[in-house]
Amino acid sequence: DAKTTQPNSMESNEEEPVHLPCNHSTISGTDYIHWYRQLPSQGPEYVIHGLTSNVNNRMASLAIAEDRKSSTLILHRATLRDAAVYYCILRDTRGAQKLVFGQGTRLTINP
Amino acid sequence: DAGVIQSPRHEVTEMGQEVTLRCKPISGHDYLFWYRQTMMRGLELLIYFNNNVPIDDSGMPEDRFSAKMPNASFSTLKIQPSEPRDSAVYFCASSLDGLNTEAFFGQGTRLTVV
Repeated sequence: DAKTTQPNSMESNEEEPVHLPCNHSTISGTDYIHWYRQLPSQGPEYVIHGLTSNVNNRMASLAIAEDRKSSTLILHRATLRDAAVYYCILRDTRGAQKLVFGQGTRLTINP
Repeated sequence: DAGVIQSPRHEVTEMGQEVTLRCKPISGHDYLFWYRQTMMRGLELLIYFNNNVPIDDSGMPEDRFSAKMPNASFSTLKIQPSEPRDSAVYFCASSLDGLNTEAFFGQGTRLTVV
């Protein structure tokens, strides 16, 4: 499985933008980049995913580097409810479709 | 749809007992995943199914663990015999198809083996 690398933790302030980085230098040509987050005491929830182009949805934006070796999840205006562990995942295309979670980034939002 | 439904939400059992965790995926989803989460090891993929067929069980820790999906609307994860180190939160997830769709997770089953 292709690996991702994320910072263990990040901290930001309420109502400010947050940029969560992810490195995936061994990404293969057709791996999709998925982001999930896990709020305290809940199961993971989908945030966004993309292949090559930048993506936007109501929760966040995903900026993908041109060489696809890194990506950034952008929360445009963080709230206290965005405090969670954020996981960057490559969905494996080589005969498997599984979601393999790494350690993620624990995001703390200060009021 | 009520989402992915797991039962029970909490289970406390004694070492050596059999434990069965249950999952009802979202109707129409082709993929079903079982995960285990602990503080030490994070979220681990145990096994996943496609159209009720187990595709990859390489994450199942040992022979004490088994999973079945007898039909498209039900799956079980069984631990026999259970051990204290099996204590964890077990999540089930389902997705419509493979790469380009999101997976939906249940609320999890918190298992404590004493």
